Parts: sequence; structure tokens; C-alpha cells
Amino acid sequence: DAMVIQNPRYQVTQFGKPVTLSCSQTLNHNVMYWYQQKSSQAPKLLFHYYDKDFNNEADTPDNFQSRRPNTSFCFLDIRSPGLGDAAMYLCATSGEAGGLTTDTQYFGPGTRLTVL
Amino acid sequence: DQQVKQNSPSLSVQEGRISILNCDYTNSMFDYFLWYKKYPAEGPTFLISISSIKDKNEDGRFTVFLNKSAKHLSLHIVPSQPGDSAVYFCAARYGSSNTGKLIFGQGTTLQVKP
Repeated sequence: DAMVIQNPRYQVTQFGKPVTLSCSQTLNHNVMYWYQQKSSQAPKLLFHYYDKDFNNEADTPDNFQSRRPNTSFCFLDIRSPGLGDAAMYLCATSGEAGGLTTDTQYFGPGTRLTVL
Repeated sequence: DQQVKQNSPSLSVQEGRISILNCDYTNSMFDYFLWYKKYPAEGPTFLISISSIKDKNEDGRFTVFLNKSAKHLSLHIVPSQPGDSAVYFCAARYGSSNTGKLIFGQGTTLQVKP
């Protein structure tokens, strides 16, 4: 089945140690998003790619970076994780695929990041 | 400043009855609204949506109502089933289709009791 896949599902890192979260999609969507969700809060958009164009949210800390090497993959890099970065990180996709437009974002299962 | 609010953190209903989840928003530029359902340890799953040009959209047991003048939308689940127990997020889109960004509410935890 076409889907959004996130690896790993659970990630533990140490304070200040760089970490990379991975997202891949088989939907062939041209837009990919990264959200941060802390406990009992709304998912918060960090940034998104429209094709190869990177769009950062104004309040996303510089500590968070992203790469999209091709349509299928997108990475979230946290350069120096702090305790406050412990959260669920959600990847989502939307956009045109096969000439059809979708207004809906489709989410992966998320990666739970723990910072020790 | 929270532009999308779900003021009820939790809701409990009996199986077979109606569940009504509410959502309020402040930005009149939102053009599309979505409801997502989230089980523990899973990502949000799209449930139903409504365009700002409509006031109702129905899909099986799920109906979303939009009241633009009140900047309010609601999700009705009839009849409620135990498998509907989950966290429900409303989301509002701004920007163009395809690249529109979503703003989420904080979620409402629905518990459907057998």
C-alpha cells in the first residue's frame, strides 16, 4: 500500500548529539512536511518542501534543518538536541500525484525522540 | 496566539449515541478544514474535510458542519462505536491547495464506552 514511512519509530539521543530522522513516501507527492508534537499539544509545523523548494516557518529554531535529496525522501536533522526538543516528530505529504490534486495531508506514524 | 482551538480536552459517550466534537478558529482566511483521528503510537489519519464554501459534508457515520459566521466547526459521529475512541484533531488550512499549511487544534480525546 502507498504510505508515509518514518524511521526509526523511537530514537534516543544524548543532549547535544546530532540526530537525523528519516521519512519516505510512496505516494509520489511533491510536498513534504515536518511537524513537531509535544505531549498534549497540537502538531506544530517546522518546515515543508514544495518539490525542492524549502520553506521554513518563522519560529522554527536554527537547530532544526531538513534535506530532501529526491521526491521520496526527506530528513530532519537536529544539530544539537536539547531537552526541550524531546517530542513526536511527524512527517506528512500532500500535493499532486499523477495529475491529480490532493487537498489532504497524509501522515507517517511519527518518530518519538527522547533526549537524555 | 492559538488560531485553532478545541476547548474540550476530552469527551466520553456511550456506544450507539452521538459524539459531537467542536472546534473554533479565528482566521477568516482559512479555506479548508480537516479532521484527523489519532490512535496512540500512530500518526494522525485523515477522517473528513470540508471546504469553506460548504456548510456540511457527510461520509458514512461522520458529518462535519461548518458555521463560517461563528468561525466554528463540529464533527458528529453517529452512532459512536468503541473503535472510535481516539484523539481527534481539527485542522485549518491556509495558503493555496497543494502547498497549504495546516494549523492544528490541541485535540479532543474521545472515549466511547461499550
